[in-house]
Amino acid sequence: KAGVTQTPRYLIKTRGQQVTLSCSPISGHRSVSWYQQTPGQGLQFLFEYFSETQRNKGNFPGRFSGRQFSNSRSEMNVSTLELGDSALYLCASSLDFTGTQETQYFGPGTRLLVL
Amino acid sequence: AQTVTQSQPEMSVQEAETVTLSCTYDTSESDYYLFWYKQPPSRQMILVIRQEAYKQQNATENRFSVNFQKAAKSFSLKISDSQLGDAAMYFCAYRAIQGAQKLVFGQGTRLTINP
Repeated sequence: KAGVTQTPRYLIKTRGQQVTLSCSPISGHRSVSWYQQTPGQGLQFLFEYFSETQRNKGNFPGRFSGRQFSNSRSEMNVSTLELGDSALYLCASSLDFTGTQETQYFGPGTRLLVL
Repeated sequence: AQTVTQSQPEMSVQEAETVTLSCTYDTSESDYYLFWYKQPPSRQMILVIRQEAYKQQNATENRFSVNFQKAAKSFSLKISDSQLGDAAMYFCAYRAIQGAQKLVFGQGTRLTINP
């Protein structure tokens, strides 16, 4: 099976712009989670989607949003970019939301640089 | 809120020797999952091993094993016969079974393998 894929892999934006990142989960996986990784804050949870519904959200401002499509692919959007949004954004998928299929498998990440 | 602490920012080991990475966590839950992920320079987060809290037996995966001490809330990773390819950042992570099922990560331990 193909792993989790994320596009684009690298992105450079300027302050005030918006950006959309895409994640395609492993085939058959229905849960997608997003994480932000920075040197200062480490790995922080952004949100989790299951069957097109946001089930959990981390402590991030409303500029960060996401959605999941019927084929389980997910996108996250950051509006009005700030310098502090520069980070590696990781997407992870798991087979199901509950039960024993909870192991999350990660994509290669999208590295966002805000100038 | 659950927290995960990795007290060793950096560790080094000679090739072919054994190294143990430490992790402690704090939770009021009785059932949960614990994981070790490896992040090499490519930044791809790779699952190393997982442990279900209800299982007393320590998980093992080839050269990787854990020492899970539930009462002490300790979850250390032992790497035997260290190989150059084991060099990476290692993250300990916690995931609850009930409620928000995000991964809570420690700050990571950078492991260097000396040839």
